[in-house]
Amino acid sequence: GAVVSQHPSWVICKSGTSVKIECRSLDFQATTMFWYRQFPKQSLMLMATSNEGSKATYEQGVEKDKFLINHASLTLSTLTVTSAHPEDSSFYICSALPRETGNQPQHFGDGTRLSIL
Amino acid sequence: QQQVKQSPQSLIVQKGGISIINCAYENTAFDYFPWYQQFPGKGPALLIAIRPDVSEKKEGRFTISFNKSAKQFSLHIMDSQPGDSATYFCAASPPGFQKLVFGTGTRLLVSP
Repeated sequence: GAVVSQHPSWVICKSGTSVKIECRSLDFQATTMFWYRQFPKQSLMLMATSNEGSKATYEQGVEKDKFLINHASLTLSTLTVTSAHPEDSSFYICSALPRETGNQPQHFGDGTRLSIL
Repeated sequence: QQQVKQSPQSLIVQKGGISIINCAYENTAFDYFPWYQQFPGKGPALLIAIRPDVSEKKEGRFTISFNKSAKQFSLHIMDSQPGDSATYFCAASPPGFQKLVFGTGTRLLVSP
């Protein structure tokens, strides 16, 4: 149980395009989802907290207009990287907290590798 | 104060040996301490977690030791296997504060 699915798993696109990444909780409802970014051989860096039906809360230094987050339902959050550039290339990972517990543990997706040419 | 310091950065252990990874924290409000295992190209997977009301928790070959007074906790992997080769992250979270603060990670290699 507690499966989180991310799509796509890998995307390559040209500089200047926008890319949408989906995060779905498959067998549970999640009022809170998190988006992380991970560079090679580094730790996970929290980008934003996504709450169903409300605006996302962004961490300091993360551009909210660059990384658009939408949490429209209890099972889906999306991250859109707008006007992507090579420096946005990274591994993006989402996680979700089950609605019934509202607390730890977080369940992680398998990540999306984004490569901007 | 929100940092979690993790060591070592990398670790090589022979098959059958014990792998030990350590973490230290400053924020005494932290009350949830999980360990995650991450394979290349995959998301982190929860291994084992502990709350500060116990000093040790064991699940199979994985044990967390927790020292509240020293503000340290560690992961012990007994009878380490090549399949355990991965990156391990400790983390911490204060009560009611759903964010996790991650350590810097330890790359474990278990040699056959």
